[in-house]
Amino acid sequence: QQQVKQSPQSLIVQKGGISIINCAYENTAFDYFPWYQQFPGKGPALLIAIRPDVSEKKEGRFTISFNKSAKQFSLHIMDSQPGDSATYFCAASSGGGADGLTFGKGTHLIIQP
Amino acid sequence: ETGVTQSPTHLIKTRGQQVTLRCSSQSGHNTVSWYQQALGQGPQFIFQYYREEENGRGNFPPRFSGLQFPNYSSELNVNALELDDSALYLCASSRPDSYNEQFFGPGTRLTVL
Repeated sequence: QQQVKQSPQSLIVQKGGISIINCAYENTAFDYFPWYQQFPGKGPALLIAIRPDVSEKKEGRFTISFNKSAKQFSLHIMDSQPGDSATYFCAASSGGGADGLTFGKGTHLIIQP
Repeated sequence: ETGVTQSPTHLIKTRGQQVTLRCSSQSGHNTVSWYQQALGQGPQFIFQYYREEENGRGNFPPRFSGLQFPNYSSELNVNALELDDSALYLCASSRPDSYNEQFFGPGTRLTVL
């Protein structure tokens, strides 16, 4: 049972454009929703995270939008740059985190110059 | 501040053998989680260690076991290796006041032949 569904699987965006990646979850006990960026041969790096008491969080060019009633959240990358080309994972966890993070399957993002 | 480190970087084993992977947590972090990332997939939670005890486990068989030491470093042991155990094994650490916020190491690439 996949508890976090991520789409699209791959995405091509022109330099300067907006990249949008979506995730949907099933477990209503989830209360922490991070996004990770992973480059080939590297471990995932924490980009930005949100809790369900807010609907949006922005850090630099990265914004998370959260819709609790729809059980969906999304990552927006503004002014996308070639250096943003990577695989992005959404994740979710509940309580104190002892059950670990549940990850989506990832989105391979390519920013074309 | 030193990040999460893992050793070795790469490892090749034969089916049926046993393997030990090592992780040093980030400074100030006392909780360590282990994940398995198959090629083209998101990381899957194996287990979490806090105060030298396992305090959460994902859907992995008992041949996956671990240890945490007083300095918060950790080991992942896998017995009776199977071909499907070939993956990137990731260690993540977190602070005492924020177990959900996990910071990953670069991983160990395990190949089982």
